[in-house]
Amino acid sequence: GENVEQHPSTLSVQEGDSAVIKCTYSDSASNYFPWYKQELGKGPQLIIDIRSNVGEKKDQRIAVTLNKTAKHFSLHITETQPEDSAVYFCAASPYKGGASKIIFGSGTRLSIRP
Amino acid sequence: GAVVSQHPSRVICKSGTSVKIECRSLDFQATTMFWYRQFPKQSLMLMATSNEGSKATYEQGVEKDKFLINHASLTLSTLTVTSAHPEDSSFYICSAREDVRGEFFGPGTRLTVL
Repeated sequence: GENVEQHPSTLSVQEGDSAVIKCTYSDSASNYFPWYKQELGKGPQLIIDIRSNVGEKKDQRIAVTLNKTAKHFSLHITETQPEDSAVYFCAASPYKGGASKIIFGSGTRLSIRP
Repeated sequence: GAVVSQHPSRVICKSGTSVKIECRSLDFQATTMFWYRQFPKQSLMLMATSNEGSKATYEQGVEKDKFLINHASLTLSTLTVTSAHPEDSSFYICSAREDVRGEFFGPGTRLTVL
């Protein structure tokens, strides 16, 4: 089955700097890669996703890149702000819809230093 | 993104009682919903896949008689923790899958069993 590894487990960056979180997956059948942000005591929030037919996707300060050959995908947050502090999870799934399971990474706790 | 609600947000109960948690997709119909459990500082652990109009599919190691799931309509799934014990205390999160936009999570339910 699919296995998603995520690094680093914790990340502290200065406000205004960029943060990068990296994930690898094992199942070449995975074609959908969402990223979730989870604040303390809340459910995960979908912040961006990418499908395997696209190498990069950007939404304002957030971008995701995908290297399907190497089975790597990464989340990039630029111009970090205090409200970016949260736990971020990457995930992988064969499909965006239907009943296919999404496999989550172990999470990265991002702290933004003022 | 799509909105998923979960009720209650917090529940404290005595050992041996049953607790029902509701998950609703508010602005879309979800043929598939998922139930997760999350321990402190850990990733989400999939418990079961809830299918509208049919039996839920449970992950290995999850007792189906302990965690009863009912998906009565395209917008509502319920999880009942039967005969709850302190080790069932956890953060329970549901999600609903929308084929075009992806998987969206509820805000979670904090269950504390005394």
